[in-house]
Amino acid sequence: AQKITQTQPGMFVQEKEAVTLDCTYDTSDPSYGLFWYKQPSSGEMIFLIYQGSYDQQNATEGRYSLNFQKARKSANLVISASQLGDSAMYFCAMRLSARQLTFGSGTQLTVLP
Amino acid sequence: SQTIHQWPATLVQPVGSPLSLECTVEGTSNPNLYWYRQAAGRGLQLLFYSVGIGQISSEVPQNLSASRPQDRQFILSSKKLLLSDSGFYLCAWEGGFRTYEQYFGPGTRLTVT
Repeated sequence: AQKITQTQPGMFVQEKEAVTLDCTYDTSDPSYGLFWYKQPSSGEMIFLIYQGSYDQQNATEGRYSLNFQKARKSANLVISASQLGDSAMYFCAMRLSARQLTFGSGTQLTVLP
Repeated sequence: SQTIHQWPATLVQPVGSPLSLECTVEGTSNPNLYWYRQAAGRGLQLLFYSVGIGQISSEVPQNLSASRPQDRQFILSSKKLLLSDSGFYLCAWEGGFRTYEQYFGPGTRLTVT
């Protein structure tokens, strides 16, 4: 069965610095997608970035990049130049061909001024 | 542009009372629709998904049911609420330009007392 693991319940980063949020996954399916979502205190889930298992290059979306290491089954999110508005809960998720998203337990990021 | 609505935003219901949460999507047709539940401080759990009118797949045996009476309407129901039904309920749709991405609604915070 597929599984997503986020081992960092909480992270702190100084404003304007970069931060890496860890995510490892487990699946035997060769075709899958990896996602990162941001959930601010308002509760809405905001899509940040996507990486397909067959993508050759790491995904980037503005200040967000995904460090995809397929052999290690890791998909870490890197946020560059952190901003106060980046403080939120971050979820890693995986989707197999059956459509359902499986979410990790999340990492609470706090950006310090 | 596409938008997704959920109501109510918050709800407090006594144990044993019925429940009806509604989700509607605008600006797209034939979307895949999803209901998730998020317990406090945890990740999202998929409850139901639907690929078309009247087509519902259940992921977790529980006290809840879902229906899709119209193409862009998804309803989550219960005949008798349990304390364990408390949580944050999120509806999501999928089928946009980036077909792998799920777009989430603002959520409903349910407290069963």
